[in-house]
Amino acid sequence: NAGVMQNPRHLVRRRGQEARLRCSPMKGHSHVYWYRQLPEEGLKFMVYLQKENIIDESGMPKERFSAEFPKEGPSILRIQQVVRGDSAAYFCASSPVGTANTDTQYFGPGTRLTVL
Amino acid sequence: DQQVKQNSPSLSVQEGRISILNCDYTNSMFDYFLWYKKYPAEGPTFLISISSIKDKNEDGRFTVFLNKSAKHLSLHIVPSQPGDSAVYFCAASARYGGSQGNLIFGKGTKLSVKP
Repeated sequence: NAGVMQNPRHLVRRRGQEARLRCSPMKGHSHVYWYRQLPEEGLKFMVYLQKENIIDESGMPKERFSAEFPKEGPSILRIQQVVRGDSAAYFCASSPVGTANTDTQYFGPGTRLTVL
Repeated sequence: DQQVKQNSPSLSVQEGRISILNCDYTNSMFDYFLWYKKYPAEGPTFLISISSIKDKNEDGRFTVFLNKSAKHLSLHIVPSQPGDSAVYFCAASARYGGSQGNLIFGKGTKLSVKP
């Protein structure tokens, strides 16, 4: 399966713990996007990264949330000191570079975070 | 303030008939529009897109129409099949308007196709 991979698919944390969500883009894609979906809502943009660079983090909460996309390995979305309001589905998307389809984002299956 | 609106939370259609899903937007800087289909517990699947320089794009049973003056787009599925039952999201981006390509999503329309 050459699609976008996310793990874990389900993550349960207690309030105050840290959550780490991983995303491996499609082969050949170097742009990664993170979105969050609350129940009964659409997806909300959080952050856009290229390898080793944060391009746009205008959708990221100012505190506790961070993201990285290192030169090697998957992109990581990190949530420190989780609260119940962080419970949501977190989706990663990737897009290619240098083609006419740079604007089509392909999504992974998501990580469902539950904070107890 | 919602920049992309899908005003119908749900739509029910008979198998074989046409499904029309609607989407309105407010930001005139949007120049690229996409439709995604989503099943429960899965990620959104890309369906079809359209650039603002076009008013129609067709791919098999799926056609997207764009009316820039009305800031309105629609997705037509014909003929509808039971497997099309899912939540459909409209998304938009302003590629040259400083958004860096991030997508703005509507809240989705749940389509049910009855056999």
